[in-house]
Amino acid sequence: QSVLTQPPSASGTPGQRVTISCSGSSSNIGSNAVNWYQQLPGTAPKLLIYNNNQRPSGVPGRFSVFKSGTSPSLAISGLQSEDEADYYCATWDDSLHGWVFGGGTKLTVL
Amino acid sequence: QLQLQESGPGLVKPSETLSLTCTVSGVSISSSSYYWGWIRQPPGKGLEWIGSIHYSGSTYHNPSLKSRVTISVDTSKNQFSLDLSSVAAADTAVYYCARHRSASIFGVLDYWGQGSLVTVSS
Repeated sequence: QSVLTQPPSASGTPGQRVTISCSGSSSNIGSNAVNWYQQLPGTAPKLLIYNNNQRPSGVPGRFSVFKSGTSPSLAISGLQSEDEADYYCATWDDSLHGWVFGGGTKLTVL
Repeated sequence: QLQLQESGPGLVKPSETLSLTCTVSGVSISSSSYYWGWIRQPPGKGLEWIGSIHYSGSTYHNPSLKSRVTISVDTSKNQFSLDLSSVAAADTAVYYCARHRSASIFGVLDYWGQGSLVTVSS
């Protein structure tokens, strides 16, 4: 059971906007920056969003983060076939004194 | 350009110690600017942080693994290493090394190695 909770799956058609939520508690996402990773099949995770809403160089603006209540959500607009991957949220947990990840969301582009 | 490469045995027997090394190129591991970490991913499952180290020797470990984990750094070889003792089948995973973006443990893991699959089996 992961400390951060993500939906196991999400899907959309090309061009659509999809969102992936990440929920936790006051000791993790409530007090520390949230980061997002994209993991294409058979590859290492790639940093997609850091420090809540910053994109590393080379990450398209189609990827963004918004807050729904207290939980951050990754939004992917203009969905493309190459976006089909697993997505993970991650942050530091003050109570566990360690990095924690969400269980991952498998995004399928229909 | 920063690159990280994991190396080590792909097969380890139950109850033995899993040992992996991460060779860093493109930046000095002795730079005070970064922490360096280990993360693993069991087949078909999610990511789990194992622990991280600064070249000064400061380390942090996942509490669930702490008693079995040793992370060390060899600045002369620009490498850092992971030892996981008393392994069992549940330790079968792809093991990644990665860099924290800052000199703080709170820095995001931004650059990752390609990963090394370690299978625990007799």
